Amino acid sequence: GQQLNQSPQSMFIQEGEDVSMNCTSSSIFNTWLWYKQDPGEGPVLLIALYKAGELTSNGRLTAQFGITRKDSFLNISASIPSDVGIYFCAGHRGNKLVFGAGTILRVKS
Amino acid sequence: DVKVTQSSRYLVKRTGEKVFLECVQDMDHENMFWYRQDPGLGLRLIYFSYDVKMKEKGDIPEGYSVSREKKERFSLILESASTNQTSMYLCASSLWGSGGIYEQYFGPGTRLTVT
Repeated sequence: GQQLNQSPQSMFIQEGEDVSMNCTSSSIFNTWLWYKQDPGEGPVLLIALYKAGELTSNGRLTAQFGITRKDSFLNISASIPSDVGIYFCAGHRGNKLVFGAGTILRVKS
Repeated sequence: DVKVTQSSRYLVKRTGEKVFLECVQDMDHENMFWYRQDPGLGLRLIYFSYDVKMKEKGDIPEGYSVSREKKERFSLILESASTNQTSMYLCASSLWGSGGIYEQYFGPGTRLTVT
């Protein structure tokens, strides 16, 4: 069953806003990854985090690997319309990735 | 760039049919994976493979089988399709990293409808 709690489930953004989402688990993970999925496409890797406490940026994206190894967050600064999609967190443990249920980002009209 | 391709973007099959989903990667990755994606459930692992002819069950293997005869190709087989297997199927591949399997690269997905 689902082992990662990803929140929020969905959110509306207005262009220019900053966005935050996070993932928590009751178990420790060795690596956290964040993916984005555009409609009709497969997920694309955005950021990978390998060490507890690590803070990594990729353009307007910033992600952190929680110090307890049980959580991670993703921030998007100054959002733009093409940021819409589904964002997944994934934790690596052993020989598998475990995925969160996803955060759906939509544009406010 | 890693390229993972899947044989069909959309597929419609009848209940009871045997269904083959094909996945090919061109980066010489050792590991390949099949997931299904359903709204609100994220991605759930069906099967994965570390090497040619090797396979391991994921979290939801029931009703599925796999085949890996060549390193670049990983097939998912629905032995007798049922309506509850209507879903988006995603294939992924990765290298062995120092920490194991982690950075997976996905194909575009196959949306399967079973009627």
